[in-house]
Amino acid sequence: KAGVTQTPRYLIKTRGQQVTLSCSPISGHRSVSWYQQTPGQGLQFLFEYFSETQRNKGNFPGRFSGRQFSNSRSEMNVSTLELGDSALYLCASSLQGGVRNTGELFFGEGSRLTVL
Amino acid sequence: GESVGLHLPTLSVQEGDNSIINCAYSNSASDYFIWYKQESGKGPQFIIDIRSNMDKRQGQRVTVLLNKTVKHLSLQIAATQPGDSAVYFCAENISAGGGNKLTFGTGTQLKVEL
Repeated sequence: KAGVTQTPRYLIKTRGQQVTLSCSPISGHRSVSWYQQTPGQGLQFLFEYFSETQRNKGNFPGRFSGRQFSNSRSEMNVSTLELGDSALYLCASSLQGGVRNTGELFFGEGSRLTVL
Repeated sequence: GESVGLHLPTLSVQEGDNSIINCAYSNSASDYFIWYKQESGKGPQFIIDIRSNMDKRQGQRVTVLLNKTVKHLSLQIAATQPGDSAVYFCAENISAGGGNKLTFGTGTQLKVEL
């Protein structure tokens, strides 16, 4: 069974540009979450999608957005990049059941973004 | 301003010894807790979880203890092996409202000495 796949693994952008990262969850998983990992702030929750709807959102500016497609694949976009957006962006998928049935998250290897 | 990297607490243990990694969580409403292991260059990997209606759960070589009174979580690794060297994170979640919105701790670096 294939794990969570994130593309691209590494990318370099310059300030002001925008970037789109992609995540393919484990087959059958309907929940996809995104996290940002930096040395200064650690792992921080960005947002979660379930059945193409954003179900939870972290405390990030509107420059950070995402979406989920009908096949559960997800993308996140960061517009007007800033130096501080340099980070490892992690996607996690979950076989999510009912409202109170939180479950194990499976993380991908991440997309490492460097903003120059 | 200049960002400063997190100084991760480090736990050094001898191979074969038991390891105990501690975590203080912040939200008394959290009812689901997970331990993750992250090796260099990889994403976090699930180790074990526990719900708030339990105070102990065991897995293979790992045990998680939950003390809700003092909002404390610990991960015990028995017979620590070199492959256990990694950064360990605890994470908390509030199930009410649905979904996964984990709040992660800062992490502990575990170093296994031969």
